[in-house]
Amino acid sequence: GESVGLHLPTLSVQEGDNSIINCAYSNSASDYFIWYKQESGKGPQFIIDIRSNMDKRQGQRVTVLLNKTVKHLSLQIAATQPGDSAVYFCAERGNNRLAFGKGNQVVVIP
Amino acid sequence: ETGVTQTPRHLVMGMTNKKSLKCEQHLGHNAMYWYKQSAKKPLELMFVYNFKEQTENNSVPSRFSPECPNSSHLFLHLHTLQPEDSALYLCASSQERTLNTEAFFGQGTRLTVV
Repeated sequence: GESVGLHLPTLSVQEGDNSIINCAYSNSASDYFIWYKQESGKGPQFIIDIRSNMDKRQGQRVTVLLNKTVKHLSLQIAATQPGDSAVYFCAERGNNRLAFGKGNQVVVIP
Repeated sequence: ETGVTQTPRHLVMGMTNKKSLKCEQHLGHNAMYWYKQSAKKPLELMFVYNFKEQTENNSVPSRFSPECPNSSHLFLHLHTLQPEDSALYLCASSQERTLNTEAFFGQGTRLTVV
């Protein structure tokens, strides 16, 4: 069946370094992908999205890369800050359904 | 603030109680969703409403009963829940169910069933 998963459960990163969070998806029909950030006690917050006709999209300090060949999505955070500590979810939309991964905890070390 | 407001933020209820969760959005969205978030699990889609009509029920037990009186409001009525129903319940909205647009989430209601 369809599944979206994250490779690493927890990522510890030094403040100021770059973070990379990876996500694998299995539904080749998915044509829209989203990264969400969820801080403790809050709901998921949209970070950035990408459509399947693109392979890279940049936002403020964040970049999403999409490799449709291997069904892989990644989120890069530049100059990681303490406020980036959170759980990050990838989500894919395919067949009119939005499927979420389990989430990847990012811990920023001051 | 995402524009999606959920109340209450926290709820403790007994297994024989009846309670309701409320979600409100004034983003002009036509699709609203209920998700359940349990520890160490992916977000689980429970119900989808598109233009006030329920379009999806992911085999949710009948002790959870959604209601969507208009495109801006969504309720989840709870009755005779079990301890394993304790979780964070998230409401979300998006422009339309079929469009590739992001979903905006509320802060969630932390539900504890005792």
